[in-house]
This record gives sequence, structure tokens and C-alpha cells, in this order.
Amino acid sequence: AQKITQTQPGMFVQEKEAVTLDCTYDTSDQSYGLFWYKQPSSGEMIFLIYQGSYDEQNATEGRYTLNFQKARKSANLVISASQLGDSAMYFCAMREGPLSGGYNKLIFGAGTRLAVHP
Amino acid sequence: AAGVIQSPRHLIKEKRETATLKCYPIPRHDTVYWYQQGPGQDPQFLISFYEKMQSDKGSIPDRFSAQQFSDYHSELNMSSLELGDSALYFCASSPTSSASTDTQYFGPGTRLTVL
Repeated sequence: AQKITQTQPGMFVQEKEAVTLDCTYDTSDQSYGLFWYKQPSSGEMIFLIYQGSYDEQNATEGRYTLNFQKARKSANLVISASQLGDSAMYFCAMREGPLSGGYNKLIFGAGTRLAVHP
Repeated sequence: AAGVIQSPRHLIKEKRETATLKCYPIPRHDTVYWYQQGPGQDPQFLISFYEKMQSDKGSIPDRFSAQQFSDYHSELNMSSLELGDSALYFCASSPTSSASTDTQYFGPGTRLTVL
């Protein structure tokens, strides 16, 4: 069964430093998508970054980099130059490919709560 | 840029009452998804629609039903509400249903409290 694992319930980082949030996944599909979402305390779910399973380059969006290691089934999120506003819950998610049957839904990890300290 | 709109943002109901949540997808997005996020939990997929037809179904109770209308907005109807239905309900939309590459953009959520 498809699964997303985030092993860090909580992380903290000093402002302006970089932080890596871990994510591993399990799927038998060859075609899938990996996503990171940010959920501040206000509750909304904000899309950060996407990586396709066939993309050879790591995805980058501003201060966010998705460190994709396909052989290790790893999709870590690196946030550079942390800001106080980065304090939030971060979810790693996978969109299954058609071979998995449920090809629409996102499967989420348990999330990592990041605290940025001044 | 236009985002996904959900209404109401907050809803308080009594046990055994009914509730209707509405979702208006991003323009030109034809696929809508519903997720339920309980307190301290990750979002769980409920149901999705593509071109007004149900395209996928998750752990949605029989007490819940949903549909997508001709203008692509969607409604989640919840009956015989239980205390355990208290959660944040997200609607998300994407441009298509079949590509694993398509990003789902989430609305702000409806926070349902059942008393």
C-alpha cells in the first residue's frame, strides 16, 4: 500500500539557518507526484513545491528545494534562510499513479511541526 | 490569482443535524476533491469529482454525500452528524483528474464543530 512517512514530529531552527524536513514514501507505481504543503496555525493548506517521479532535477521554488532521491524513495524538503513566518506544520504528500487504482487522491504523512526561533 | 473558495468558513451544529459545505474551484479546474482533517491529524481523502462525475472515493461515511454541479462547484452534504465529524474540511481543485503531475490547490477549509 502507498504510504508517506515523516519521522520528525517537531523540528526547530534558528532564524536565517537552513532546515531539512524528512519524507520517505512507498509506492509500486512508476508514475507519481510528490508534494509539500505548509499549514500555518490559521489552518489553510498552502502548496509549496512539486516533484514528478520522472523529473531528474530537484524541484526548487524560491527558498524551498525538494531533495529527491528516487532509489531511496526519499523526498526531503530543504528550507533555506528560515524566517519566523516559516513556523508551521509541513506535510509531505504523494499523488498515486493510475496503477494504484485511486489515481486522484493525495496521501499525506503525519506532518512535521517546524518552529523558527529568533 | 483566484483561489478555491469554501463556505461557510465555520459551522457549528448539534448532533443528528445536517450540514452542507460548498466549494468553488479555481476557474478552469474541472476536478474537485474533498478531504477531512481531524484535530492533530493529517488530511484524509473523502471523495473526488471530474466533469461532474464521481471519480474516486475514500473513507467517506454513508451519511455523507457529495456532488459536482454544471458550474463545477461542489457540495458536501453531511447528515446525522456525530461528535466525531468535528474536523476541518478541505476542498481542493486541479485542472485534470488523470495526471499524477497535477497540483491540487486547497481552499481555506470549513471548520465544523458538532456539539
